[in-house]
Amino acid sequence: DTAVSQTPKYLVTQMGNDKSIKCEQNLGHDTMYWYKQDSKKFLKIMFSYNNKELIINETVPNRFSPKSPDKAHLNLHINSLELGDSAVYFCASSTSLAKNIQYFGAGTRLSVL
Amino acid sequence: DAKTTQPPSMDCAEGRAANLPCNHSTISGNEYVYWYRQIHSQGPQYIIHGLKNNETNEMASLIITEDRKSSTLILPHATLRDTAVYYCIVRVAIRNFGNEKLTFGTGTRLTIIP
Repeated sequence: DTAVSQTPKYLVTQMGNDKSIKCEQNLGHDTMYWYKQDSKKFLKIMFSYNNKELIINETVPNRFSPKSPDKAHLNLHINSLELGDSAVYFCASSTSLAKNIQYFGAGTRLSVL
Repeated sequence: DAKTTQPPSMDCAEGRAANLPCNHSTISGNEYVYWYRQIHSQGPQYIIHGLKNNETNEMASLIITEDRKSSTLILPHATLRDTAVYYCIVRVAIRNFGNEKLTFGTGTRLTIIP
């Protein structure tokens, strides 16, 4: 069983479209994250949720809207996609008891044409 | 979080020990040293962490100097599958209910040579 799973793995879309990426974790963790890795391979935090509550929002454009329907899921919806949104998006999870040990999904490679 | 400095790249022969250094001269007393790695096209993977004592697990060993200003990650018998970018991250390890973001630097690209 995959601990942190993201779908889709690849996403190719046109500028201006709206798309969603889904993330699920089966580890029983209470905290989930979205990270973005750009073409230069820099990996940066975007959002974190703890028990469905938004905790971190790292100056991400409001075209990005995370949603956490329950502790095991954190989805990322992106409106009006732009070329600069092309990147690999990683979901991660952790438990507040386990001190920065985060488990990452395999990533979603988003290409905006 | 304290800043870390790592060499951009290193090579290691397969079967030998890979020693990856990290400088963190501004580390404060309550900050831990964490190591993650990212194998090509995969998500980052936790390896090990420590505060001041040396640590060992099934993946690696972590040696932290007595003044805690630097550390070394040791992969005892490197295999081709250990080729990856290795990130050294320093931060507090308190229970912070979602605020435990990891700040990744540029890391060290380790290449294991057959």
